[in-house]
Amino acid sequence: DAKTTQPPSMDCAEGRAANLPCNHSTISGNEYVYWYRQIHSQGPQYIIHGLKNNETNEMASLIITEDRKSSTLILPHATLRDTAVYYCIVRPFSGSARQLTFGSGTQLTVLP
Amino acid sequence: DSGVTQTPKHLITATGQRVTLRCSPRSGDLSVYWYQQSLDQGLQFLIQYYNGEERAKGNILERFSAQQFPDLHSELNLSSLELGDSALYFCASSVAGGGGTEAFFGQGTRLTVV
Repeated sequence: DAKTTQPPSMDCAEGRAANLPCNHSTISGNEYVYWYRQIHSQGPQYIIHGLKNNETNEMASLIITEDRKSSTLILPHATLRDTAVYYCIVRPFSGSARQLTFGSGTQLTVLP
Repeated sequence: DSGVTQTPKHLITATGQRVTLRCSPRSGDLSVYWYQQSLDQGLQFLIQYYNGEERAKGNILERFSAQQFPDLHSELNLSSLELGDSALYFCASSVAGGGGTEAFFGQGTRLTVV
């Protein structure tokens, strides 16, 4: 599975947009980009995923570069409850749904 | 609420003992995954079952085993427990259908070995 690189930590002011980058330069054509977050010892929470088009849902937007070697997760109006570890994961297409391989993630701290 | 249910939420047991952790996946999900998260480590994939059969194995110790039953619930059995097995154990489930399907996690079982 492709390896991802994320900054270990980031801060964001409450109410501002949080932009979390992820590098996945070895991604293959059949690999999706997933984002999860984990709020202190809770179960990881699915945020969003995409293949090559930009995606948006009620939680966030995912911007994938045209060459698919990097992506950015955008939380449009960060709140204190968004403080969490954010994981960027690439996962290949598989009929039986391959496992997610978590890296170290980015600790996002939203400041009041 | 992810729809994935794990029991028990907390478990305290002594070294050398055996415990069973249970996971009920979301309705209709065929894949179940088990993960371990220790204090000093990230989320480590242990094992995946798909429709009752073992599909993938990660860093699972020989003292650990799992199974998925016909009703698709899964159990993770941990035996000859050691202090280092103290961790959070998460279960996740996913529908079949390819890489474009998200997995949903339960709230975990916190195992403490004393």
